[in-house]
Amino acid sequence: GESVGLHLPTLSVQEGDNSIINCAYSNSASDYFIWYKQESGKGPQFIIDIRSNMDKRQGQRVTVLLNKTVKHLSLQIAATQPGDSAVYFCAENIIQGAQKLVFGQGTRLTINP
Amino acid sequence: DTGVSQDPRHKITKRGQNVTFRCDPISEHNRLYWYRQTLGQGPEFLTYFQNEAQLEKSRLLSDRFSAERPKGSFSTLEIQRTEQGDSAMYLCASSAQYEAFFGQGTRLTVV
Repeated sequence: GESVGLHLPTLSVQEGDNSIINCAYSNSASDYFIWYKQESGKGPQFIIDIRSNMDKRQGQRVTVLLNKTVKHLSLQIAATQPGDSAVYFCAENIIQGAQKLVFGQGTRLTINP
Repeated sequence: DTGVSQDPRHKITKRGQNVTFRCDPISEHNRLYWYRQTLGQGPEFLTYFQNEAQLEKSRLLSDRFSAERPKGSFSTLEIQRTEQGDSAMYLCASSAQYEAFFGQGTRLTVV
């Protein structure tokens, strides 16, 4: 129901520490994955993506890991900053499919000073 | 700012009224998507356009909902006879290939 959706998984980390946010995706046929960051009142912001022919991809301060065997995705944020506080969503897609991203539940990341 | 523009940012309407939202995608993007997001949930897919063709529609898109992209550029989403359950954030996204970029959304409140 509605109240279940309000209780997002949360992760609190100290400023400067590394954060790891995990996501289990649902469709074994998915071959493209994106991590989005969403701040309050704003639309999702693209962070990094990965295709299923890779198991790791690095960006600026972020790394995405993909484990297709267990359908698991993770986002690592290095040296977290106060501006990293947001809700993070993973999304999956099938490149040759219907072109609709399926979003996971989301994790709220809080950075403690 | 991703370059995807949505208007209005906020809309309050009385139950039973019709509302229309507009999305202007990034100019070179031929793919456009509409999503709906309720509090505490991830966005849910509503519909997808490639150029002016509407290629995919979710079962969430009831008969009261209609989307258009007449010239393959901007898109509109209309909700007729709004209900309180329609209250949500309506998000538009666009892409050239796989990376979808979202606008800031239109928050609809039905009273």
